[in-house]
Amino acid sequence: EAAVTQSPRNKVAVTGGKVTLSCNQTNNHNNMYWYRQDTGHGLRLIHYSYGAGSTEKGDIPDGYKASRPSQENFSLILELATPSQTSVYFCASGDWGKNTLYFGAGTRLSVL
Amino acid sequence: AQKVTQTQTSISVVEKTTVTMDCVYETRDSSYFLFWYKQTASGEIVFLIRQDSYKKENATVGHYSLNFQKPKSSIGLIITATQIEDSAVYFCAMREGPGYQNFYFGKGTSLTVIP
Repeated sequence: EAAVTQSPRNKVAVTGGKVTLSCNQTNNHNNMYWYRQDTGHGLRLIHYSYGAGSTEKGDIPDGYKASRPSQENFSLILELATPSQTSVYFCASGDWGKNTLYFGAGTRLSVL
Repeated sequence: AQKVTQTQTSISVVEKTTVTMDCVYETRDSSYFLFWYKQTASGEIVFLIRQDSYKKENATVGHYSLNFQKPKSSIGLIITATQIEDSAVYFCAMREGPGYQNFYFGKGTSLTVIP
């Protein structure tokens, strides 16, 4: 069973603070993704990665950085968090053998 | 421009009936992949079913099936004999291929199954 683990599950941050969301996958998938989910917008792609050392911008990368130090780990970094970044963030890994995504449980972030 | 559009925001059906959820997509690629995902009340997102653009037959998995109308760029999800536990938000998604790695998602359709 594919496993994608996100931490923390819930986070409250202050405006202007730095936030790091972590994602770990044990499936040896090359591709990993960060999405945010907001009411009325569905899932929107922030950053993705093809493998260790690579990061690519998605559709809404402004205000976010990503880091892929290893095959297993993919982080999303908010250097200067703003209230508009309050959202639920999902990490996913890609299995091209089955041509699908496996999602983590999500991180609920509130920026006050 | 929205690549994947779900126009139905919410649907309610009576248990044991059949429901169809609509999705239209936009792509210039001749080869692409279409997916439906389910998000449960707990927030968990799981893969349900996939349609490859080059396949003419509609995909079926359990009580989920697809209505793939390529000329209309449409991929409907059909759930037969609905159950209470089918109540969830359903997302349509597309991956252009073979070189593209992005998945584009629609905004979702909320399904409520009434006893």
